[in-house]
Amino acid sequence: GEDVEQSLFLSVREGDSSVINCTYTDSSSTYLYWYKQEPGAGLQLLTYIFSNMDMKQDQRLTVLLNKKDKHLSLRIADTQTGDSAIYFCAESAASNYQLIWGAGTKLIIKP
Amino acid sequence: DAGVTQSPTHLIKTRGQHVTLRCSPISGHKSVSWYQQVLGQGPQFIFQYYEKEERGRGNFPDRFSARQFPNYSSELNVNALLLGDSALYLCASSWYREANEKLFFGSGTQLSVL
Repeated sequence: GEDVEQSLFLSVREGDSSVINCTYTDSSSTYLYWYKQEPGAGLQLLTYIFSNMDMKQDQRLTVLLNKKDKHLSLRIADTQTGDSAIYFCAESAASNYQLIWGAGTKLIIKP
Repeated sequence: DAGVTQSPTHLIKTRGQHVTLRCSPISGHKSVSWYQQVLGQGPQFIFQYYEKEERGRGNFPDRFSARQFPNYSSELNVNALLLGDSALYLCASSWYREANEKLFFGSGTQLSVL
């Protein structure tokens, strides 16, 4: 079945780059997404990438997609304290457009 | 403009009871989806409604049901509550039901079953 995996924690120093990784299993996924969840708040869509692309950049965010290895990454440049959150990777199920989510990576910023 | 609003924000129930959660989508959005998020896990898809019809259902028992009203708001109902139903229930709205659509999430209803 479909599955999305992420590491649970990532700790980086303020000002450094953060790279959050994700692997997925459904090779027919059409879109892959990164969402951000802050305490007490809903999920916020950060960015998404179509499966025929290998890179997408949006200001401080860079998404890399390796379709052969089914690996997705999110790079946050110049990480700030406001970036502290849980980051979820999700893929769209090709058959019915529902999202399949990873367990989330908690990004911890060290001063 | 108001975002996706969910009510109540918190709820405590006991096993065997019934619960109704409510969601108002962003004005103009016709699609509403419901997700269950257990602590420490990613959201799990429960239902999607578009134009008042069920368009998708996740792997949840029949105790879970939902509906969408003419004004596009939605209710999620859970019968015969179990301890394992304790979770954050998230509602998301979008214009349509396209794969690349932005989903706008509410802050959720935290359900605790004792």
